[in-house]
Amino acid sequence: DGGITQSPKYLFRKEGQNVTLSCEQNLNHDAMYWYRQDPGQGLRLIYYSQIVNDFQKGDIAEGYSVSREKKESFPLTVTSAQKNPTAFYLCASSIADGDEQFFGPGTRLTVL
Amino acid sequence: GENVEQHPSTLSVQEGDSAVIKCTYSDSASNYFPWYKQELGKRPQLIIDIRSNVGEKKDQRIAVTLNKTAKHFSLHITETQPEDSAVYFCAATHSDYGGATNKLIFGTGTLLAVQP
Repeated sequence: DGGITQSPKYLFRKEGQNVTLSCEQNLNHDAMYWYRQDPGQGLRLIYYSQIVNDFQKGDIAEGYSVSREKKESFPLTVTSAQKNPTAFYLCASSIADGDEQFFGPGTRLTVL
Repeated sequence: GENVEQHPSTLSVQEGDSAVIKCTYSDSASNYFPWYKQELGKRPQLIIDIRSNVGEKKDQRIAVTLNKTAKHFSLHITETQPEDSAVYFCAATHSDYGGATNKLIFGTGTLLAVQP
């Protein structure tokens, strides 16, 4: 899973600002995912993409947006519409959806 | 909606004892069941997985059992060691959009503490 990276590791944002989290993979995986992790709530799916130029909403998509213009990249934008954005964000990829997912190191977002 | 329930939420064992974590799922079409280990501040890492055509799988001190009829699966860790201390997540696939997509639904995690 060293082939999937996220940046930055820590991110601070003021209320009302949009912020974009980076996720890159060199594993040649078709599917990519964004999860949010809060204490005691496990991993909740925000958005996922089975293939380039296509993506679907997960369980908690409100206040977030994504793009998948390249196979290697799946950036997540946390918009000002997300009411409680402070969390640990994990990106993952898999050869195809439903297969083993490899996770990035995560980005911890804090809203000041 | 579809969900995966995981129990217990916390588990404390003595070094050398066994630990068992159980999950139940609701989607009868689920066919892939991975287990992830997440150490504090780190990324989740796959430790073992099982597909629906198999009832049990073992890898050294770790084993997973699957009961498709009852829709539950379990993680078994034998001879626990302090380095096994972490949060463990189970997951199950769920088909969406009429079967066009096949995403993972995660349990809420079990914090395992192995006391030396």
